[in-house]
Amino acid sequence: QKEVEQNSGPLSVPEGAIASLNCTYSDRVSQSFFWYRQYSGKSPELIMSIYSNGDKEDGRFTAQLNKASQYVSLLIRDSQPSDSATYLCAVNQDAGGTSYGKLTFGQGTILTVHP
Amino acid sequence: KAGVTQTPRYLIKTRGQQVTLSCSPISGHRSVSWYQQTPGQGLQFLFEYFSETQRNKGNFPGRFSGRQFSNSRSEMNVSTLELGDSALYLCASSLDSLKPQHFGDGTRLSIL
Repeated sequence: QKEVEQNSGPLSVPEGAIASLNCTYSDRVSQSFFWYRQYSGKSPELIMSIYSNGDKEDGRFTAQLNKASQYVSLLIRDSQPSDSATYLCAVNQDAGGTSYGKLTFGQGTILTVHP
Repeated sequence: KAGVTQTPRYLIKTRGQQVTLSCSPISGHRSVSWYQQTPGQGLQFLFEYFSETQRNKGNFPGRFSGRQFSNSRSEMNVSTLELGDSALYLCASSLDSLKPQHFGDGTRLSIL
């Protein structure tokens, strides 16, 4: 089982729709969770961080975390063509200082928003 | 506030050579992590430095090494380059281990 798994893509949604990206992780002691967006040929850009169970909203983005189910998701409302990118789920498993500075990434989900 | 700066942006080397990559973190960030990104393996953690100390290391051979200076700038060195080392090398900085990491633009290394 992979440490961090994302829903298989690619994902294609029409402009204005809600895009739903999902991620599961295997280590129960994981402490912090991040979503990054990576455009082709560019480096990952942080778009959301979440640390506690529940929802966190930032503009058109909502991150959801359920530690009991070891599940984190990202919803993008009113999707725009400029949202077309690879979305990476990243998990920090640092608990008690045993995994400093290590983010474990999923394989990424390619999202295409078509006009 | 300036972001994470990586130099050089592109490098072409041949097998057997060595290379040094540089990373300047965001001002005030003391944690610097390095990652390798390839199409097949995705993003993989190399190591993390904090206050000039390597606190964590990923599953890479000893040819991959790094260091951090007192101003938090970090360097990564790869010796005896192999074709499989061709990748995008990313540096990320953060305030501390659990805080969000912010990535530089990366160094694209090609081995001929």
